[in-house]
Amino acid sequence: GQQLNQSPQSMFIQEGEDVSMNCTSSSIFNTWLWYKQDPGEGPVLLIALYKAGELTSNGRLTAQFGITRKDSFLNISASIPSDVGIYFCAGQLDNYGQNFVFGPGTRLSVLP
Amino acid sequence: NAGVTQTPKFQVLKTGQSMTLQCAQDMNHNSMYWYRQDPGMGLRLIYYSASEGTTDKGEVPNGYNVSRLNKREFSLRLESAAPSQTSVYFCASRRYISGGWNTEAFFGQGTRLTVV
Repeated sequence: GQQLNQSPQSMFIQEGEDVSMNCTSSSIFNTWLWYKQDPGEGPVLLIALYKAGELTSNGRLTAQFGITRKDSFLNISASIPSDVGIYFCAGQLDNYGQNFVFGPGTRLSVLP
Repeated sequence: NAGVTQTPKFQVLKTGQSMTLQCAQDMNHNSMYWYRQDPGMGLRLIYYSASEGTTDKGEVPNGYNVSRLNKREFSLRLESAAPSQTSVYFCASRRYISGGWNTEAFFGQGTRLTVV
C-alpha cells in the first residue's frame, strides 16, 4: 500500500523560532492534509490542500501541496509553547476514497 | 455538541479476553472509521462504515469486528485480545458533501488499550 514519510521525526526548537517539516510519498495524491495531535487527544485538522502547487495559510501555519503531487510541506512561524504536539500529514487518492494514508508524524517540542 | 465520543478511555485486558470499544457521533455524519495508532507508525485504518448498514475492511482488520449499530454508533470488537493489539484506538467520522467526502475527519479522544 501507499506509505508516507515525514521528516524530521522529532525536533526541539526555541520559542519564537520558525519550523519546517515535510511529507513525501512514492504515490501521487489528490489531497494533502495536515493534522495536529495534542497529548491525550485525537488529531485535529489544521490545513487541507487540494491542488498541486497550492499554498494555504491558517494563522501562523502555512502548508504547500508539492508540484509533483508526491509531497507536502508545513511551516510554523514564530513558534509558541502550545505548538507542542505531533504533526501528521495525510494523503487521499481521490474525493471518493474512504481512507487517508497517514504519515508517522513529526513530534515538535518547544523550549521556553 | 460533543462531537465524537469514545468509551472507555483506558482498558487493560488479559490475553484471550474480549471487549467492545464504543463510539458515537452527534454530527449526523455518514461515514465512521476505526484507526489504531502505534508509535512511529501513524494511524492505520482497521474498518470503516461508509453509511448505516455497511462496513468494510481497512488496512489492518485481522482480529477485529465492527458493527454500525445506527447512524450515530460504530463499535469495534476484539473477540480474543492479543498483546499485538496493545495500541491507542481512535474513532472518526466524516460527512458526505456534494461532489465527494468532506476531507475533515473528526476524531474522538482515543481509547488506550493494553493487552497483557
